[in-house]
Amino acid sequence: AQSVTQLDSHVSVSEGTPVLLRCNYSSSYSPSLFWYVQHPNKGLQLLLKYTSAATLVKGINGFEAEFKKSETSFHLTKPSAHMSDAAEYFCVVSDMKTGGSNYKLTFGKGTLLTVNP
Amino acid sequence: NAGVTQTPKFQVLKTGQSMTLQCAQDMNHEYMSWYRQDPGMGLRLIHYSVGAGITDQGEVPNGYNVSRSTTEDFPLRLLSAAPSQTSVYFCASSYSQEVGYTIYFGEGSWLTVV
Repeated sequence: AQSVTQLDSHVSVSEGTPVLLRCNYSSSYSPSLFWYVQHPNKGLQLLLKYTSAATLVKGINGFEAEFKKSETSFHLTKPSAHMSDAAEYFCVVSDMKTGGSNYKLTFGKGTLLTVNP
Repeated sequence: NAGVTQTPKFQVLKTGQSMTLQCAQDMNHEYMSWYRQDPGMGLRLIHYSVGAGITDQGEVPNGYNVSRSTTEDFPLRLLSAAPSQTSVYFCASSYSQEVGYTIYFGEGSWLTVV
């Protein structure tokens, strides 16, 4: 069975400093992994996704994530935080099974990112 | 191109009332789904559909009903609302259920059952 663990429920950074949001996953197959962002009272927006191509994935707004199979991790990073990055971030895993299985996305419980001026 | 549109955005229901959350997409996506989001729980799948006329249960289907008569629409029905159904509901769609296709989410419907 697949699972996702976001290691921090809350991360606080200062504007201009690096961001690291940690995600570990468990999967029986070759997974696809996603990061979504949710601003207050808004829907979820895709930041980036990994689907077995390059292990370093670049997303929107300067975010990137590295897939590390040996560590079963998919941490999200950004070199310099901006006030507009304050939001909740979700790590999501989907197993790649025969016939596909997009409908069985498993969400982490979320990491709330606070950016201080 | 509106993407995924959900209505209503906010709703208060009394216990035992019924209502329908509407979801429509204009991207000709085959795959649509409903999730509920509760504090500290992430998103959990309620029901999904892989095409018109085809629906199936997700992780937390009890108390909810769905149908898919057209490609565009995927309404979620609460048959007899309970306080445990107080949540934020998200509709999502994707071109395919195959892994790797991006899933697009609506902006959410905040439901309170009193």
